[in-house]
Amino acid sequence: QSVLTQSPSASGTPGQRITISCSGSISNIGNNTVKWYQHLPGTAPKLLIYYNNQRPSGVPDRLSGSKSGTSASLAISGLQSEDEADYYCAAWDDSLNGYVFGTGTKVTVL
Amino acid sequence: QVHLVESGGGVVQPGRSLRLSCAASRFTFNNYAMHWVRQAPGKGLEWVAVIWYDGSDKYYADSVKGRFTVSRDNSKDTMYLQMNSLRAEDTAIYYCARDRCSGGDCFLDYWGQGTQVIVS
Repeated sequence: QSVLTQSPSASGTPGQRITISCSGSISNIGNNTVKWYQHLPGTAPKLLIYYNNQRPSGVPDRLSGSKSGTSASLAISGLQSEDEADYYCAAWDDSLNGYVFGTGTKVTVL
Repeated sequence: QVHLVESGGGVVQPGRSLRLSCAASRFTFNNYAMHWVRQAPGKGLEWVAVIWYDGSDKYYADSVKGRFTVSRDNSKDTMYLQMNSLRAEDTAIYYCARDRCSGGDCFLDYWGQGTQVIVS
């Protein structure tokens, strides 16, 4: 069961900015850092954001992450067709003693 | 470039066992914790287990606790997932992933392509 809640879908036209939200609790997002992963089913997931807002090398700066309290968000600006994928937030959960993923958000570029 | 290759998936009957392997290459395997993550058909990513770099600590998702065991052989650069008492709901693609710590955080930076497990 996912303890991090995301909106099921988000969409926009090319060039637009969209935001994906992730809601958790004190035991996960509240006390720990948030990561974001991009996943195309059947392929290896890709790390987009770590430490709430840090981008690994190779991830474009039009992707940005933020965290406030027990919620986090991922913004994608200058939306491109290649951004069509599933996006997951994740964090360690101190109560579960395990890693938790969000429910996932499917991004569609119209 | 870091390389992770899962193997051992297949079709298995409910109640039976299966062992998955994750072969690592092109990095110092015994310096990193490793995870198993799965995705059931039509579902999202679900974390399964983690094992510390030296095997000294392991944690499991409640859904697999008591049935699955994660282990590693650092001399072979390989991690394993022993799955017992398999259930239909364990049907999924199983991914292994490397846990890297940098900049004050730890994250899954490289993933394999996955191996399919079907319990039927």
